[in-house]
Amino acid sequence: EAQVTQNPRYLITVTGKKLTVTCSQNMNHEYMSWYRQDPGLGLRQIYYSMNVEVTDKGDVPEGYKVSRKEKRNFPLILESPSPNQTSLYFCASSLSGLATDTQYFGPGTRLTVL
Amino acid sequence: EDQVTQSPEALRLQEGESSSLNCSYTVSGLRGLFWYRQDPGKGPEFLFTLYSAGEEKEKERLKATLTKKESFLHITAPKPEDSATYLCAVQTSGTYKYIFGTGTRLKVLA
Repeated sequence: EAQVTQNPRYLITVTGKKLTVTCSQNMNHEYMSWYRQDPGLGLRQIYYSMNVEVTDKGDVPEGYKVSRKEKRNFPLILESPSPNQTSLYFCASSLSGLATDTQYFGPGTRLTVL
Repeated sequence: EDQVTQSPEALRLQEGESSSLNCSYTVSGLRGLFWYRQDPGKGPEFLFTLYSAGEEKEKERLKATLTKKESFLHITAPKPEDSATYLCAVQTSGTYKYIFGTGTRLKVLA
């Protein structure tokens, strides 16, 4: 089944404790992206990647890191999480990132930073 | 600054009561405008892409239209299963970023 998977689905952590949220897709997509979703602010793009070793900032990249060492994986790294990073995070992928491609979303990771 | 605004924030309809959701956008150049459906606790699910003013697309009870400044998602004779949050997004020329609106929460009552 074609899908985007994220792990963990739920995470509670404390301020300053480094964490990684994994994202994997099995559709051989070039484009992958991370979003956060907050009430009243909607979905905001954190980072995106056009291909292996190619990443670029979205609208809210501060406090986040990403890496794209393999085509199928795009982990999101929070090196020193803070409470304002408490949010619902979604990973997404599409064939090439063009508007003609459908973007597929993962099931989400709910992160709470205490 | 590129911007997407959706209205209303929330909408309650009786089953069979048709209505429209609005997505207005301000962008330097439009590559595509997208509609997604999001059910509680799930990721957004793609519905439509529109590329240029005058374009229309339909799927079951949903019809999306596009002008130079806004898009409408028309829902004809909605059913309770159409209850969801509907998200609008744009991709602008010269970038591969996506900008989303804050969504419209639709509740269809039986």
